[in-house]
Amino acid sequence: GEDVEQSLFLSVREGDSSVINCTYTDSSSTYLYWYKQEPGAGLQLLTYIFSNMDMKQDQRLTVLLNKKDKHLSLRIADTQTGDSAIYFCAESNDYKLSFGAGTTVTVRA
Amino acid sequence: AAGVIQSPRHLIKEKRETATLKCYPIPRHDTVYWYQQGPGQDPQFLISFYEKMQSDKGSIPDRFSAQQFSDYHSELNMSSLELGDSALYFCASSLRLEGTEAFFGQGTRLTVV
Repeated sequence: GEDVEQSLFLSVREGDSSVINCTYTDSSSTYLYWYKQEPGAGLQLLTYIFSNMDMKQDQRLTVLLNKKDKHLSLRIADTQTGDSAIYFCAESNDYKLSFGAGTTVTVRA
Repeated sequence: AAGVIQSPRHLIKEKRETATLKCYPIPRHDTVYWYQQGPGQDPQFLISFYEKMQSDKGSIPDRFSAQQFSDYHSELNMSSLELGDSALYFCASSLRLEGTEAFFGQGTRLTVV
């Protein structure tokens, strides 16, 4: 989407950490989200962060938010082959979500 | 736990035909959203309903209409289908609290031939 930007591709070796970056434009967004989409499947909510937080950790996932720069990142520790998917960053605005174009993460052995 | 249910999962229609997609939100969720995801694209917001009333409208063509019924399920009606309508259509539901997460259904894949 125009309001949310992400890099399109990321290749990572199995066991390494993946970092997916996202920038957004709406400073009034209250929540920011990361969704995962596997081929032919629906959107799975991975995690979200409230705009007054800087960091949120959930098992292998770490979300960092720099509200000043409107920059959001998702770090996946110990990346596994099952993590291969498209990852969408999304911001909420008036109860609807605006998605980035998605980052295709490919995990290589 | 119950999730958002969409039907059908797959649908094939010919050009100029009509299609109806159904969405059953998570129980007690009061808001339903429809998104369209074209091949290789990010999901685009179409329309949303809160307590059975249209609450927001995005890039929904005039050929499409939607409504939310008394049991909170929603239907997306698509008429005069075009090849470009081929996409994955997602429904999501949430509680109408600021920032409450939206849960997505598995989507309906519509193919127009």
